[in-house]
Amino acid sequence: GDSVTQMEGPVTLSEEAFLTINCTYTATGYPSLFWYVQYPGEGLQLLLKATKADDKGSNKGFEATYRKETTSFHLEKGSVQVSDSAVYFCALSDYNNNDMRFGAGTRLTVKP
Amino acid sequence: SAVISQKPSRDICQRGTSLTIQCQVDSQVTMMFWYRQQPGQSLTLIATANQGSEATYESGFVIDKFPISRPNLTFSTLTVSNMSPEDSSIYLCSALLQGKTEAFFGQGTRLTVV
Repeated sequence: GDSVTQMEGPVTLSEEAFLTINCTYTATGYPSLFWYVQYPGEGLQLLLKATKADDKGSNKGFEATYRKETTSFHLEKGSVQVSDSAVYFCALSDYNNNDMRFGAGTRLTVKP
Repeated sequence: SAVISQKPSRDICQRGTSLTIQCQVDSQVTMMFWYRQQPGQSLTLIATANQGSEATYESGFVIDKFPISRPNLTFSTLTVSNMSPEDSSIYLCSALLQGKTEAFFGQGTRLTVV
């Protein structure tokens, strides 16, 4: 079945450092891809999404590009802030199958 | 974006008792789901809540332990029955909305069983 493999953390960075969190997927159809963020004590919030190959999702300085040839959707940010400390989940959905799959999550800690 | 209200936000329960979690969505909903998130772990789908019929459960989850209701399009409940400390977890309600590809989440219910 469909699945998501996500770089596991934890990841610790200094403020203003560059961030990459790797995500690759396996799917039989044409999934939509997502990054969700979970701040402490909260539910998941959608960070960005891409629904077809070569789409780039972006939000709050974060970006990810849907790469069909490498089946990847890596999350990047050029300069992280302390407020970006959270857990990040890569996910895919193929609603033809009424299914959504999540990666293991990556905990990011940004230090001042 | 949709607002998904989930309550209670947290509870501490005695083993052997049951807890019912409520989820209310303020938008047009197509599908609703319940997830479990154990400490430091990813999300595990418990079941898809079907309106007016029995929920569709994932492998490893059964109706007797996690009965689910969805009496209308925008409201669902999950009951955690006969709880044990192993049920201590965060339980999350999620919904798909008409015209949207992404799922929306409630803020979660942090359950501790003692």
